[in-house]
Amino acid sequence: ILNVEQSPQSLHVQEGDSTNFTCSFPSSNFYALHWYRWETAKSPEALFVMTLNGDEKKKGRISATLNTKEGYSYLYIKGSQPEDSATYLCAFLYNQGGKLIFGQGTELSVKP
Amino acid sequence: DTEVTQTPKHLVMGMTNKKSLKCEQHMGHRAMYWYKQKAKKPPELMFVYSYEKLSINESVPSRFSPECPNSSLLNLHLHALQPEDSALYLCASSQGATTPPTDTQYFGPGTRLTVL
Repeated sequence: ILNVEQSPQSLHVQEGDSTNFTCSFPSSNFYALHWYRWETAKSPEALFVMTLNGDEKKKGRISATLNTKEGYSYLYIKGSQPEDSATYLCAFLYNQGGKLIFGQGTELSVKP
Repeated sequence: DTEVTQTPKHLVMGMTNKKSLKCEQHMGHRAMYWYKQKAKKPPELMFVYSYEKLSINESVPSRFSPECPNSSLLNLHLHALQPEDSALYLCASSQGATTPPTDTQYFGPGTRLTVL
């Protein structure tokens, strides 16, 4: 059974704090790792698709790293803002099925 | 236009009803997906259509019947559902240029389904 774990489950920070979350996935049969940002009552929004070991991607204040050999990815948010409050989902794509397997998400709340 | 639209936003149905969920995208994407998300759980893949053909069916009960009438539209027909089928149903699309599809999936906002 392929399992994707995210930690922490929830995080409460103050505006201006930097934060990071972890996504752990099976290191075998790796094809791609997706990160999504999901605000309540809105569509999940794609942040990054990462495919290569050592990949680092950046979008504004958000960045992500990937280690496929040990099976983890980190998502960093620098200087969190209240509008960053959302659930951050990672999803693992393995090379045998074409199916995205989602983690349970990290729920981030940023207080002004 | 990078939007995936889903209708209706909310649906309440009885166990004997027949209803349909609709998903539409105009990005020229050739892969479309249905996901189911129960409260506090991650989204789970139900179906994948690639170039209007069903390519993945994740052993979904036959009371859920997908249909892809053209490259922009994806329907999910519902019949004789159970209360445990109540969930958020998400549609997504991607360019679908690779197999398996590694490209970004664009999601709609979902249909919140309640089965009484």
